[in-house]
Amino acid sequence: DTGVSQNPRHKITKRGQNVTFRCDPISEHNRLYWYRQTLGQGPEFLTYFQNEAQLEKSRLLSDRFSAERPKGSFSTLEIQRTEQGDSAMYLCASSLDFKDYGYTFGSGTRLTVV
Amino acid sequence: AQSVTQLDSQVPVFEEAPVELRCNYSSSVSVYLFWYVQYPNQGLQLLLKYLSGSTLVESINGFEAEFNKSQTSFHLRKPSVHISDTAEYFCAVSAGNTPLVFGKGTRLSVIA
Repeated sequence: DTGVSQNPRHKITKRGQNVTFRCDPISEHNRLYWYRQTLGQGPEFLTYFQNEAQLEKSRLLSDRFSAERPKGSFSTLEIQRTEQGDSAMYLCASSLDFKDYGYTFGSGTRLTVV
Repeated sequence: AQSVTQLDSQVPVFEEAPVELRCNYSSSVSVYLFWYVQYPNQGLQLLLKYLSGSTLVESINGFEAEFNKSQTSFHLRKPSVHISDTAEYFCAVSAGNTPLVFGKGTRLSVIA
């Protein structure tokens, strides 16, 4: 069990560019979650998957954001045409089925849009 | 929809003193409650959780939290804090099969 892995750890991009983050969950976990955390705030839910199916998307998630989880393994989160307001820590977490309410979080990807 | 209010954004406390971090939630249905801890430059770690049964739950490092349905609270307590407890603490709620909703966090600073 190597935990939840997120890459890259840091990303600096110019406004208007596209970025993609990757999350590798714990292998036996079938649920995968994306959250966003800004300074002084708690994690805000973005979206989650059960296996390869995307079950819920937050209203916070604009159409510039898209997430995939092909084959129910790793997941990617893409942000198109980045804006300065997208600067945040993007967190990925995984868990076993809904009976297991303890999420295991990765260390996050810190995005800075300049 | 569920929501969480953490009443204190920062709590300074001297080493070996007791501490209470307050958490109130709002939900129209039964909930499951969690405390997560985030040490400096690290990811969030589950500290303890209430799913059902005994309303008092404990962590391995001396923290405890009590679920109070009538007060809609899940306050976190420790009778004697250590320098190593300095961290950000997040309360979170889920209504069964829904993703966790987090509070804004409480920064605990333990002073030597």
